[in-house]
Amino acid sequence: QVQLQQSGPGLIKPSQTLSLTCAISGDSVSSDSAAWNWIRQSPSRGLEWLGRTYYRSKWYNDYAVSVKSRITINPDTSKNQFSLQLNSVNPEDSAVYYCARDPGLMVTNRRYYALDVWGQGTTVTVSS
Amino acid sequence: DIQMTQSPSSLSASVGDRVTITCRASQSISNYLNWYQQKPGKAPKLLIYAAYSLQSGVPSRFSGSGSGTDFTLTISSLQPEDFASYYCQQSSSAPFTFGPGTKVDIK
Repeated sequence: QVQLQQSGPGLIKPSQTLSLTCAISGDSVSSDSAAWNWIRQSPSRGLEWLGRTYYRSKWYNDYAVSVKSRITINPDTSKNQFSLQLNSVNPEDSAVYYCARDPGLMVTNRRYYALDVWGQGTTVTVSS
Repeated sequence: DIQMTQSPSSLSASVGDRVTITCRASQSISNYLNWYQQKPGKAPKLLIYAAYSLQSGVPSRFSGSGSGTDFTLTISSLQPEDFASYYCQQSSSAPFTFGPGTKVDIK
């Protein structure tokens, strides 16, 4: 059974860097079929996909344009986890942050992206 | 980015009702469409992927249909545990955008 356990601070000051970690059990961050994602949710922005990291002979990342200049998602193979860093945060970055797995679901030999396992969520407040 | 819209934004229904939620993409996404259920204080739960494929463990009263730009989530007979918010997500291309959600509450 795959589980994702999030950790990181819930309160951060404007202009600082938000750092969250997602520890994986029951799967591998180096899986050649899965991808590892960060999503956030706020009343003003709804559910917002932030980015992903995945391994296909080498590491790849994709990021949402809205945060591309400020975001880094890194795998940590030694600890089987992945992390989110969001620089220069402002109050609009206040949200519940989730990590999630895309397992690489197959339908008629075609791969489909979907998020089947989620972390518990971390409420992040950006405030001085 | 592909924009997703949903209708209605909320609905009231009774146990046993047939409920239909619509999702529309701003451009054709073939069948690259997921549906999630979310209850207050919890993470979203995957119900349907590839527009009509039922995720393992999800009751068969949930079904999805559609292709191109227009999609539907149907709950054939609403159960007490189905009162929640429902979100569509396009999985055609990054960024994998979500719809704004439909809240289903008790009439």
